Formats: sequence, C-alpha cells, structure tokens
Amino acid sequence: GQNIDQPTEMTATEGAIVQINCTYQTSGFNGLFWYQQHAGEAPTFLSYNVLDGLEEKGRFSSFLSRSKGYSYLLLKELQMKDSASYLCAVPNNAGNMLTFGGGTRLMVKP
Amino acid sequence: SQTIHQWPATLVQPVGSPLSLECTVEGTSNPNLYWYRQAAGRGLQLLFYSVGIGQISSEVPQNLSASRPQDRQFILSSKKLLLSDSGFYLCAWSVLDGYTFGSGTRLTVV
Repeated sequence: GQNIDQPTEMTATEGAIVQINCTYQTSGFNGLFWYQQHAGEAPTFLSYNVLDGLEEKGRFSSFLSRSKGYSYLLLKELQMKDSASYLCAVPNNAGNMLTFGGGTRLMVKP
Repeated sequence: SQTIHQWPATLVQPVGSPLSLECTVEGTSNPNLYWYRQAAGRGLQLLFYSVGIGQISSEVPQNLSASRPQDRQFILSSKKLLLSDSGFYLCAWSVLDGYTFGSGTRLTVV
C-alpha cells in the first residue's frame, strides 16, 4: 500500500519563504507529484520529481530524497495568490493511479 | 490540444434522487480516466478508474457507479444519493507528466 503524510495547515508572511514537507511510504517508486489547488477549483500540476535533488521552476522548487521517502515544495517570495492547498501525490507501481496526501493548506498573510 | 470537460459545475440534489456526472476528453485516444471525490477540507479520494471502454475499477465500496460508454467519455452515476455523497467531484485523465483535472462538480445533497 501507499501512505503519504503532509502537514494540514501552514501560515506564512507575504514575501517570505515557506517549505511544505511530504513523507511517503510506497512498495515501489514511480516519482512524486506536487499539485496546487485553490479553494473550489481543480488541482493544477506544479512539479514531478523522479530523481533525487532539487528542481527549480521560478518561485517554486521541489526536492526529493528517495532513500528517506521525503519531498518538499519550496515557495519563495510568497504572494497572496499563493494561498491554496498543496497536494503531494505518488503513483502506484503500474504508474496508472495517483494516491494523494491530505494536502497542506497554506495561508499567506500580509 | 488536449482538454477535459466536466459538467455541471454545481449541483444540488435531494437525498434519494439519481445522479449523473459526465466527463469528456478531447485531443487524445485511449486515455486512462479517473473519478475522484474531495470532501470539504479533505484530500482527494480515488473512486473509479478506467483504462478503456467498458473497463471500470472501483477503489472504494459505495452507492456510486461509473461507466465508460465511449473511449473519451466517463460517467459517474448513482441511483439514490445519500447525504454523505456531498463533495467536490473531479474527473481526471493521466498523461506522462501527471494528471489533468476537469474543473470539478460541487455536489450538495440535501
């Protein structure tokens, strides 16, 4: 089976940096996804990591350590519009299903 | 380009009434299709997935069913809705770099 853990809520200040952690337990590994979901909207794809290390995309970066079963999403220069839920997800062994964590609701304050 | 359409956007239905939510995709053939449900403040729960016409796998026991009458059409149904069926329903299809979600249907059972 698969198990994914991430904090339920986080609060940060506009302009700051925030790190959202995700730990996972899977029988195999086919990569890890991060999605952003604004309230009442569908999730949108942020990143996909399959190799260890940090991948940067503008203000957002995602890190993976396969040996530790750990990933984080790093958001820099926070903006109010970054207030959303951030979902960590891992595929099953066949790669045809995603299991999502419960999501981390990030609140950015002025 | 590849797009996914889901409707209706919102729905209010009485307990015991039937349900039919439709999802169609364009710009691809033989996609893997998924129905997820998200209760308020919770993560995404996989309900059904389909790898082809007439092929449906159910992940959780419930009073919902799914059908795939055409390659690019995925339907979520219920004969009699329960209060616990309220939630945000998302259709998705998988591509190499992740899932693309439809815009979602907010279902409220009253």
